[in-house]
Amino acid sequence: LAKTTQPISMDSYEGQEVNITCSHNNIATNDYITWYQQFPSQGPRFIIQGYKTKVTNEVASLFIPADRKSSTLSLPRVSLSDTAVYYCLVGDIPPGIKAAGNKLTFGGGTRVLVKP
Amino acid sequence: EAGVAQSPRYKIIEKRQSVAFWCNPISGHATLYWYQQILGQGPKLLIQFQNNGVVDDSQLPKDRFSAERLKGVDSTLKIQPAKLEDSAVYLCASSRGLADETQYFGPGTRLLVL
Repeated sequence: LAKTTQPISMDSYEGQEVNITCSHNNIATNDYITWYQQFPSQGPRFIIQGYKTKVTNEVASLFIPADRKSSTLSLPRVSLSDTAVYYCLVGDIPPGIKAAGNKLTFGGGTRVLVKP
Repeated sequence: EAGVAQSPRYKIIEKRQSVAFWCNPISGHATLYWYQQILGQGPKLLIQFQNNGVVDDSQLPKDRFSAERLKGVDSTLKIQPAKLEDSAVYLCASSRGLADETQYFGPGTRLLVL
């Protein structure tokens, strides 16, 4: 399984854009990149997933360069409620293929604190 | 659509006692996961079920932990006997198990072993 490295913590202010970069140097050809968000006393929540280039949804954008050795989660105009831990995961079974589930390994995550 | 349900939410026991956690996944989800999350760390997968069969239990301490998913729906995770280092949040997650492997997590059970 590809190992991921991300900053331990980041501080930001309301209304700013937050970018969290994750390194996954030994990502395999079939690996997808997935980001989860976790609030205190809650389970992680899926944010976004991608394979290459750029993916955008109503919550965030995910930028993946051509070599796929890193990825950046971008949270536009954060609010206080975006304070959470953000996990970058690399899965060894791509979606869209019927298989016995995705085995995802969580790292330590990035603790994002949004200040007023 | 109801989310993943877990109970109890909190549990305090003494070491060497036994404890059991219950999980009810989202209806229709074939894959069920149990994770252990120690304070300040990311979740660690303990066991993964596909319907009522075990797919991966390589990180489950089988001398004290056991899990079952009878009838491929609800699941129970048991610890017997508990150790101090088992103090953690136990998260249950489920996914459809077909083309969509997005995992949906429950609120977790916070266990404190004294």
